[in-house]
Amino acid sequence: DTAVSQTPKYLVTQMGNDKSIKCEQNLGHDTMYWYKQDSKKFLKIMFSYNNKELIINETVPNRFSPKSPDKAHLNLHINSLELGDSAVYFCASSQAAQWLGGYTFGSGTRLTVV
Amino acid sequence: DAKTTQPPSMDCAEGRAANLPCNHSTISGNEYVYWYRQIHSQGPQYIIHGLKNNETNEMASLIITEDRKSSTLILPHATLRDTAVYYCIVRDFGNEKLTFGTGTRLTIIP
Repeated sequence: DTAVSQTPKYLVTQMGNDKSIKCEQNLGHDTMYWYKQDSKKFLKIMFSYNNKELIINETVPNRFSPKSPDKAHLNLHINSLELGDSAVYFCASSQAAQWLGGYTFGSGTRLTVV
Repeated sequence: DAKTTQPPSMDCAEGRAANLPCNHSTISGNEYVYWYRQIHSQGPQYIIHGLKNNETNEMASLIITEDRKSSTLILPHATLRDTAVYYCIVRDFGNEKLTFGTGTRLTIIP
């Protein structure tokens, strides 16, 4: 069983479209995250939810809207996609918001906007 | 978070110990040192973390200097599958964010 699973793995779409990426974790963790890795390979946090509540919201365009229907799921919806949104998006989870142990990452969703 | 400095790249022969250094000279007393790695096209993978004592697990050992200003991640018997980018991160208990730097690209040579 995959601990943190993301769908889809690849997503190619045109500028201006709206798309969603889904993430699910079966680890029983309370906290989930979205990270973005750009073409230069920098990994940056975007959002974090703890028990369905938003706790981290970095400087991200409001075209990006995370949603957490329950603590096992964290989805990312992106409106009006732009070329610069092309990146790999990683979902992660941790046991708690201030968990001192490791985070578990998914395998990523490669988004390409054409 | 305190910043970390890592060499951009290193090579290591297969079967030898890989020693990856990290400088964190501005680390504060309640900040932990974490190591993650990212194998090509995969998500980051947690390796180990520590506060001031040396730590060892099934993947690696972490050696933290007494003044805590630097640390070394040791992969005792490197294999080709250890080729990856290794990230050293410092984080305190009150901070939910993992802030990744540029890491060290470790290449294991057959």
